[in-house]
Amino acid sequence: NAGVTQTPKFRVLKTGQSMTLLCAQDMNHEYMYWYRQDPGMGLRLIHYSVGEGTTAKGEVPDGYNVSRLKKQNFLLGLESAAPSQTSVYFCASSPTSGRATDTQYFGPGTRLTVL
Amino acid sequence: GQNIDQPTEMTATEGAIVQINCTYQTSGFNGLFWYQQHAGEAPTFLSYNVLDGLEEKGRFSSFLSRSKGYSYLLLKELQMKDSASYLCASLDSNYQLIWGAGTKLIIKP
Repeated sequence: NAGVTQTPKFRVLKTGQSMTLLCAQDMNHEYMYWYRQDPGMGLRLIHYSVGEGTTAKGEVPDGYNVSRLKKQNFLLGLESAAPSQTSVYFCASSPTSGRATDTQYFGPGTRLTVL
Repeated sequence: GQNIDQPTEMTATEGAIVQINCTYQTSGFNGLFWYQQHAGEAPTFLSYNVLDGLEEKGRFSSFLSRSKGYSYLLLKELQMKDSASYLCASLDSNYQLIWGAGTKLIIKP
């Protein structure tokens, strides 16, 4: 099992460009999450999904869109990138979230720089 | 508001013991997680506490006091590979994780 994978690993964008980050998991997990991690701050939830075809906003959703067309994939889109979106993006998945003991499994991260 | 506080950085010596503290204020509480994150890598799960008391798992132990909104991670017999950031996260009433900024632990020989 590969666990949670993310593509690409690194990307440099110019302001105003768009891109899509892909997250894939092979653990048959229902829940998937997109976080961003910035220096000196905790992980912040951007969007999440509780199952195929569903998405919901997290703490910092502005400037991002997501889709979960297949259970194993969760896509994060930036329509018009801004320098404030320079960050490390982590995808995570968990079996459910209703049971408090469900652990989130993280992908390796995507390092995005917006110039 | 929701808030997780933990020290920014700590230094310890190989073979010693270190305690990393975490205080939390979240809307509702459904448990406290500790994750380890090596530089440039993904966070990985270390421990989960929902009841008061100490949970021991090998060289790592985690403690929770719900009345005080306080947890700590205890690392014994420190090894160089324990150099990493340690993230504290509280599961709130919506079962969302609220994360601290992490404690960078530096181990010296």
